[in-house]
Amino acid sequence: AQSVAQPEDQVNVAEGNPLTVKCTYSVSGNPYLFWYVQYPNRGLQFLLKYITGDNLVKGSYGFEAEFNKSQTSFHLKKPSALVSDSALYFCAVRNPSGAGSYQLTFGKGTKLSVIP
Amino acid sequence: DVKVTQSSRYLVKRTGEKVFLECVQDMDHENMFWYRQDPGLGLRLIYFSYDVKMKEKGDIPEGYSVSREKKERFSLILESASTNQTSMYLCASSLTSGRRYTGELFFGEGSRLTVL
Repeated sequence: AQSVAQPEDQVNVAEGNPLTVKCTYSVSGNPYLFWYVQYPNRGLQFLLKYITGDNLVKGSYGFEAEFNKSQTSFHLKKPSALVSDSALYFCAVRNPSGAGSYQLTFGKGTKLSVIP
Repeated sequence: DVKVTQSSRYLVKRTGEKVFLECVQDMDHENMFWYRQDPGLGLRLIYFSYDVKMKEKGDIPEGYSVSREKKERFSLILESASTNQTSMYLCASSLTSGRRYTGELFFGEGSRLTVL
């Protein structure tokens, strides 16, 4: 079975500083990896994904993520945080083969607070 | 842009009532999903459907049923609502494969259900 761990329930960062939101995964086979963001009382918005190719993936709103196969990690990063980045962030994994291959398995989420 | 529309953003129901949550997508996606989101638990898959009239149980199907009579519409049904079903419900859709396939799920804005 596939799983995702987001080890930090909350991350606080000062505006203008770099931010990292951590994600590790467990899946048999080659994973598809995703990051989503959720603002209060809203649905999830897609940020970026890794399927194949370059390990550094760039996405929306200046976010990027680095796929590290040996560490089974897919950490979300941004060079300079904005107050408007404050939200709930979810990492997700998909095993593209086998039973249930259509669905994503999500982590429990990390609340990011950017302090002015 | 893909649009996933959930008919009710906020609902308040009483214990024992039958509840219908409706979801419509406009991008001809094969797959549709219902997730439940609770603080500290992340997103948990209730049911999904990969074709009209097809359904598969997710991780927490107990107390729920679904209906998919048309490709664009996926309904979640609570036959007899209980207080422990108070939650945020998120509908999502995705392609299976093909030229337009991009892997990610597209989410609606969510339906926040309170059962008294």
